[in-house]
Amino acid sequence: DAGVIQSPRHEVTEMGQEVTLRCKPISGHNSLFWYRQTMMRGLELLIYFNNNVPIDDSGMPEDRFSAKMPNASFSTLKIQPSEPRDSAVYFCASSPDETQYFGPGTRLLVL
Amino acid sequence: GENVEQHPSTLSVQEGDSAVIKCTYSDSASNYFPWYKQELGKRPQLIIDIRSNVGEKKDQRIAVTLNKTAKHFSLHITETQPEDSAVYFCAGSTGNQFYFGTGTSLTVIP
Repeated sequence: DAGVIQSPRHEVTEMGQEVTLRCKPISGHNSLFWYRQTMMRGLELLIYFNNNVPIDDSGMPEDRFSAKMPNASFSTLKIQPSEPRDSAVYFCASSPDETQYFGPGTRLLVL
Repeated sequence: GENVEQHPSTLSVQEGDSAVIKCTYSDSASNYFPWYKQELGKRPQLIIDIRSNVGEKKDQRIAVTLNKTAKHFSLHITETQPEDSAVYFCAGSTGNQFYFGTGTSLTVIP
């Protein structure tokens, strides 16, 4: 198994632009999580899905952030419009039960 | 919701010595406690976990202990090696959702 796949691995964009991060979970895993990691705030859960349904999005910082999971093998996290303070590493993780397996992350820099 | 606190935030040990990282949690319903290791620029990777029906678990040089009464759990690394240098995160879970500690940066000095 290739593990959790995320794309792009690096993204540099200008303030105000739309950013879309993508995640392919491990096949057979029924839960998917989006995290944001910064030095200041550590590892923050943004949203998680169970069987493609959003369960808890209380960690989504504001309306500029949205996430979708149209099917069991794909999820997106969108930021529109992006701001410099959104610069961080965004991790996707998937889980078959309790154990979470992280993807390699997307390093986002908003100028 | 759950609140997981982790100490210390940084830890330096000499190669060959032991390292101990401690976490406390607030929700008595938490029943699963994983530990993740994150090397610089890499993803967090699970190294060991423990469930609430177990008091201790060991895997080679790594062990985790859980005290449900006191609501704390600890990671023990023995005979530390330079490749153990990384950030370690604890987490508590009542189901699908993890609540992560703030991380411990461990440096093993050769």
